[in-house]
Amino acid sequence: NAGVTQTPKFRILKIGQSMTLQCAQDMNHNYMYWYRQDPGMGLKLIYYSVGAGITDKGEVPNGYNVSRSTTEDFPLRLELAAPSQTSVYFCASSKGAGNNYGYTFGSGTRLTVV
Amino acid sequence: QKEVEQDPGPLSVPEGAIVSLNCTYSNSAFQYFMWYRQYSRKGPELLMYTYSSGNKEDGRFTAQVDKSSKYISLFIRDSQPSDSATYLCAMESGANSKLTFGKGITLSVRP
Repeated sequence: NAGVTQTPKFRILKIGQSMTLQCAQDMNHNYMYWYRQDPGMGLKLIYYSVGAGITDKGEVPNGYNVSRSTTEDFPLRLELAAPSQTSVYFCASSKGAGNNYGYTFGSGTRLTVV
Repeated sequence: QKEVEQDPGPLSVPEGAIVSLNCTYSNSAFQYFMWYRQYSRKGPELLMYTYSSGNKEDGRFTAQVDKSSKYISLFIRDSQPSDSATYLCAMESGANSKLTFGKGITLSVRP
């Protein structure tokens, strides 16, 4: 199984540019999440989805947008990139609340905004 | 007070040492407790999952939960250089599957 696949692995953006971070999972998980990880700051939830067509904001949603048209895919859109969005972005999926499988994470997208 | 506090690092120990990693939390609604391990430039991977107070053992790893004190720990016995990674505690209330993570602690096991 591929698990959670994120593309691209690395990207450099100029201030004001836009891009979409792709995330796909093949485990038929209903729940999907986007986190950003900054040095020494842990993981901060950006957006999450409990199923196709349903999304909600996390702790740090400003500057980002998401959509969930299928169970498998959960892309994250950055509009008007800013240096504060320089981070490592992780997508994750899970079966649901309170299960003992936890999250399955992708390998991350390392984004630099210059 | 932050919802989840994790002991700051980094932590460096000799091979074979017993390692204790700790987190405290303030939200009484948390019911599910996890430890994730993250190797450099990789995504976190689930290491241990516990639901109730008490101990859960898996090989060299033991997860301990004390709900009355709002305190969780991860013990690593006979630590190996391959255990060198960042360890993150995580907690969930069970209402919506959103995990709250600690900041993580970087462990280095010296050969």
